[in-house]
Amino acid sequence: EAGVVQSPRYKIIEKKQPVAFWCNPISGHNTLYWYRQNLGQGPELLIRYENEEAVDDSQLPKDRFSAERLKGVDSTLKIQPAELGDSAVYLCASSSDRGHGYTFGSGTRLTVV
Amino acid sequence: KNEVEQSPQNLTAQEGEFITINCSYSVGISALHWLQQHPGGGIVSLFMLSSGKKKHGRLIATINIQEKHSSLHITASHPRDSAVYICAVRKRGSNFGNEKLTFGTGTRLTIIP
Repeated sequence: EAGVVQSPRYKIIEKKQPVAFWCNPISGHNTLYWYRQNLGQGPELLIRYENEEAVDDSQLPKDRFSAERLKGVDSTLKIQPAELGDSAVYLCASSSDRGHGYTFGSGTRLTVV
Repeated sequence: KNEVEQSPQNLTAQEGEFITINCSYSVGISALHWLQQHPGGGIVSLFMLSSGKKKHGRLIATINIQEKHSSLHITASHPRDSAVYICAVRKRGSNFGNEKLTFGTGTRLTIIP
């Protein structure tokens, strides 16, 4: 099994530019999570999907961040425009019913310069 | 005060030593995860516990629900065990089967050859 696949692994962009991250969860996992991890801290949830519905996006900065999971499988997370403070590792995770098989992707390390 | 506290924050040990990392939490939980994060950023799930003890190779995880405490042990430590170990809990009592995880800030383990 491939696990949770994220791309790209690394991204360096100038501030004010847009950026997008992609996540392919484990097949059959209906729940998908996007986390942001700042240096030296634990991950913090940005958004959680149950199938194609965003059921918890309370921590997503909606002025510049957006996410979608149109067919309830793959998901994209977008930042437009990026700010210096957005530099972090963006982690995608997925799980099946009741949190079984909680699996993280390798993350995308974003550097905004 | 964080809902999930880990100790120590940093741990350096000689190869072969027995390692213990502790996690205390202040909320009711349905499950606790131990995760391993290498410098590249990706997270690997080591254990998910709701009671008792689990063992996988040289890794052992225990949890005491009454004391709200969990420990991760590594026997015969090796330099390749060097990583950040993160404790994360899933809070009890949500309306959804899949809740977000609340993370500790991690323990940075360095094993010296």
